[in-house]
Amino acid sequence: SQQGEEDPQALSIQEGENATMNCSYKTSINNLQWYRQNSGRGLVHLILIRSNEREKHSGRLRVTLDTSKKSSSLLITASRAADTASYFCATGNGGATNKLIFGTGTLLAVQP
Amino acid sequence: DAGVIQSPRHEVTEMGQEVTLRCKPISGHNSLFWYRQTMMRGLELLIYFNNNVPIDDSGMPEDRFSAKMPNASFSTLKIQPSEPRDSAVYFCASSPRDSGQETQYFGPGTRLLVL
Repeated sequence: SQQGEEDPQALSIQEGENATMNCSYKTSINNLQWYRQNSGRGLVHLILIRSNEREKHSGRLRVTLDTSKKSSSLLITASRAADTASYFCATGNGGATNKLIFGTGTLLAVQP
Repeated sequence: DAGVIQSPRHEVTEMGQEVTLRCKPISGHNSLFWYRQTMMRGLELLIYFNNNVPIDDSGMPEDRFSAKMPNASFSTLKIQPSEPRDSAVYFCASSPRDSGQETQYFGPGTRLLVL
């Protein structure tokens, strides 16, 4: 079953604008990760935030986590046409193998 | 590093035929995951292995699906007999869990079409 629900399902913006995607989940987690998938390709890991962290940055990416609301957001600043892809959140339970459960994804289109 | 390698990249078969998908994880990674992605159901975890041992196969749809990991550098996912509803993209991912990392590294996927 899906753990994460992403919002919006699709987002279209102009190059240079910021893009914000949200993820909500249902159960307690050890970590939350964001992945990107270009059309016809495998998923690529972007960033991981642990349950005891509130915010994390990596380049043009900013991730927040609110465990009280069971939600996370991914902000991409100064977007580029190359950022066009589907973005998935995935919740991890930690433990020996850190099973991930993926959300439904947000399709981001950045218009040049 | 070659990354996770999957073969074949595309497979077209007829209903009732056996299908075998193959995966070579990144060297040194001790966790391996098989996922299935469809438009209707999104990305589903089918099974995962830790140190070549199946840990959780609760996502395997039914007995027609089986997975093996005979050694640290090879895994197979077999569907026998295949059905049209098995058409999907199947991904393999590996993770260096022993080193404390939770990131999963995905292969390019196998696009399966069952006619």
